[in-house]
Amino acid sequence: GAVVSQHPSWVICKSGTSVKIECRSLDFQATTMFWYRQFPKQSLMLMATSNEGSKATYEQGVEKDKFLINHASLTLSTLTVTSAHPEDSSFYICSATDRGMADGYTFGSGTRLTVV
Amino acid sequence: AQRVTQPEKLLSVFKGAPVELKCNYSYSGSPELFWYVQYSRQRLQLLLRHISRESIKGFTADLNKGETSFHLKKPFAQEEDSAMYYCALSGQGAQKLVFGQGTRLTINP
Repeated sequence: GAVVSQHPSWVICKSGTSVKIECRSLDFQATTMFWYRQFPKQSLMLMATSNEGSKATYEQGVEKDKFLINHASLTLSTLTVTSAHPEDSSFYICSATDRGMADGYTFGSGTRLTVV
Repeated sequence: AQRVTQPEKLLSVFKGAPVELKCNYSYSGSPELFWYVQYSRQRLQLLLRHISRESIKGFTADLNKGETSFHLKKPFAQEEDSAMYYCALSGQGAQKLVFGQGTRLTINP
């Protein structure tokens, strides 16, 4: 089946620095990728939707200048958390899909970000 | 706007008993409904989607447009069914997938 690789699986960074998270579709071309944030014991909150070659569409309340999303190719999307602060600490999950995929949406394993 | 509601945060049943995880949705167009499962320390996995009408691991879910529901059912729960279950909704054609709050299912021996 379709596989999405997300890297790194965990990262610790200092407050004020930036962190990049990668999401790759390994055996299919992901026309659309999604980025979610999950707080402990809570559901996945959609942050943004990105289509290859175009600007990401952010959900209401998500700061586009803080969470930079790039989807430059059909197999790679990146999320950069800029000037990270402790409140950005969370679990970030990407998802990818291609139109007509039998499984619909495939999820990465997630990245645990801790800002100290 | 898309909205998915899972009214039960926690659900505990005994092994062998029937299970029903509730999901209600709100969407103005034609929805695609999904159930995802997340086992401990694993990534989200698709359990089933309404358009495939399959039964996976003994689970079934029927889309009831009149009641705007997509409840997940299993006649006889097994211990390995203990996990977090999320109901999700998207519009047609790879549109954004919105999740419910999730239900943590615990199967007691």
